Amino acid sequence: QVQLVQSGADVKKPGASVKVSCKASGYSFTDYAIHWVRQAPGQRLEWMGWVNVVNGNTKYSQNFQGRVTVTRDTSASTAYMELSSLRSEDTAVYYCARETIIVAGTGADHWGQGTLVTVSS
Amino acid sequence: SFELTQPPSVSVSPGQTATITCSGDKLGDRYVCWYQQKPGQSPVLVIYQDIKRPSGIPERFSGSNSGNTATLTISGTQAMDEADYYCQAWGSSAVVFGPGTKVTVL
Repeated sequence: QVQLVQSGADVKKPGASVKVSCKASGYSFTDYAIHWVRQAPGQRLEWMGWVNVVNGNTKYSQNFQGRVTVTRDTSASTAYMELSSLRSEDTAVYYCARETIIVAGTGADHWGQGTLVTVSS
Repeated sequence: SFELTQPPSVSVSPGQTATITCSGDKLGDRYVCWYQQKPGQSPVLVIYQDIKRPSGIPERFSGSNSGNTATLTISGTQAMDEADYYCQAWGSSAVVFGPGTKVTVL
């Protein structure tokens, strides 16, 4: 079955960077893009960016321009999200999710389990 | 920038119909998806391309989208449908989520 398995919880100090991984299985990795979405405690879903797994093209939310980098390793069927210059407001659960790149508007039909990133001095 | 608005909360009695709206400029010209999220869980896609249900989503979930408003309707609402619901659409090269609507089944 389709699975997106994310790396474990992490604690970082302000100013540091964090890299979260998302390993895909149960489907053809290159048929889908991978979104990254975060959710601060008690807050809404917030889209960060996505990567087209086929060609590595990326799109980012302007809210994170310059701080977020999304990459993928097709040989490992894994996507990565790195967020730099962390501040306390970045404390959140970070999700990866897949969406087909073949047809528009299909939505993110499978999500990872989420990774809690805590930013604290 | 493109934004979506939703009512913060909707209350519904068991067996009744819950209607959740999502508004945005010319939203009917874009595809809308809806996600259900229960506490401590990852979101689940319940509607895509405005009106379609993924495999495994009950028929009581339906969607529509026209003009500036998309609507998620839950017919015959059950206690298990109590959750937060988020609409989502593409803005100009970026995904946008609505603020979410908490559905309470009283």
